[in-house]
Amino acid sequence: AQSVTQLGSHVSVSEGALVLLRCNYSSSVPPYLFWYVQYPNQGLQLLLKYTTGATLVKGINGFEAEFKKSETSFHLTKPSAHMSDAAEYFCAVNESGGSNYKLTFGKGTLLTVNP
Amino acid sequence: DGGITQSPKYLFRKEGQNVTLSCEQNLNHDAMYWYRQDPGQGLRLIYYSQIVNDFQKGDIAEGYSVSREKKESFPLTVTSAQKNPTAFYLCASSLGQGFNEQYFGPGTRLTVT
Repeated sequence: AQSVTQLGSHVSVSEGALVLLRCNYSSSVPPYLFWYVQYPNQGLQLLLKYTTGATLVKGINGFEAEFKKSETSFHLTKPSAHMSDAAEYFCAVNESGGSNYKLTFGKGTLLTVNP
Repeated sequence: DGGITQSPKYLFRKEGQNVTLSCEQNLNHDAMYWYRQDPGQGLRLIYYSQIVNDFQKGDIAEGYSVSREKKESFPLTVTSAQKNPTAFYLCASSLGQGFNEQYFGPGTRLTVT
């Protein structure tokens, strides 16, 4: 069984500060990992994904995440927060294998950016 | 422009009525999904379909039904058997071969009173 834990339901940072959103997963096989962003009353938009290969993944809007197998983590970072980054962020996991298309989502982290 | 359309954006119904939420995609994706989102709960999978005329229950299928008669369309019916139907409903789609990321529609907010 797979699960996703996002530490911190609410993270607050100052504009220009480092953004760090934490995600840990449990999976019995190498996972596919995703980060999505959701603005109020909108759908989810893919920020970045890890499938295989390089463990440091770069996404849109200056975000990146690093897959650390030993720590079963896939934390999302951005060096300098912008007001437009305020949104809810979701980590999601799928066990590789091909036939299973299902994603399991974390409960989300609401990011607030203070001026 | 390619994408996923959900209509309507807001929907209001009286308790005891069935209601159908629309989801259409023109991305030529084989797989489609329905999620329910409640505050602090993340997204929970209701139903998914990997090909036309086939679908599977997700984690919270009770009180919901779907059909997949066309590749482009995956409507969700919230029946009167769903005990707490008020929520934000999200439809998504993905390419069917291997595993690919899911693309989401803008969502429908359903309020049942």
